[in-house]
Amino acid sequence: NAGVTQTPKFRVLKTGQSMTLLCAQDMNHEYMYWYRQDPGMGLRLIHYSVGEGTTAKGEVPDGYNVSRLKKQNFLLGLESAAPSQTSVYFCASSRAGRATEAFFGQGTRLTVV
Amino acid sequence: GQQVMQIPQYQHVQEGEDFTTYCNSSTTLSNIQWYKQRPGGHPVFLIQLVKSGEVKKQKRLTFQFGEAKKNSSLHITATQTTDVGTYFCAGHMNRDDKIIFGKGTRLHILP
Repeated sequence: NAGVTQTPKFRVLKTGQSMTLLCAQDMNHEYMYWYRQDPGMGLRLIHYSVGEGTTAKGEVPDGYNVSRLKKQNFLLGLESAAPSQTSVYFCASSRAGRATEAFFGQGTRLTVV
Repeated sequence: GQQVMQIPQYQHVQEGEDFTTYCNSSTTLSNIQWYKQRPGGHPVFLIQLVKSGEVKKQKRLTFQFGEAKKNSSLHITATQTTDVGTYFCAGHMNRDDKIIFGKGTRLHILP
């Protein structure tokens, strides 16, 4: 099993460009999450989803949009990229409920110039 | 807002010394999870604690959950070079489905 797969692994954007990060999981997990990781800031939750067709805001949602049209996919969109969005983005998934571990993808390193 | 605070941010230890990282929440947690991220890698789940006062061990790692379910600790006995990485605690706040991570403790091992 592939687990959680993120596409792409690396990307360089110019300020103002848009892009979509794709997260796919093959574990039939209900919950999916997008985090960003910056030096000294740990993992900050951007948006999350507790099921197909549902999304919710996390700690740092501004400048991002998400969609969960299919249970196995969770898309993170940047409509107008800014240098402050330079970061490593991690997607994670877990079974439903609060007592379940999260499985992480390999990460996407995004640089906005 | 809801916060999970973790200290220290960095720790350098000689190989063979012990290491402890602490996690504190501003609100009661329904559970606490610990993850390890190797340099250049992604976070990997280590363990979960659910009960008040719970203690769990994994070889040289000892995890504790506080009586009030607001704090937790990870203790590594006799560190080895394979322990290098960043250790994160993460918690679900009561009545909330989202997982909030601490900022992590980066462990460096000096040979």
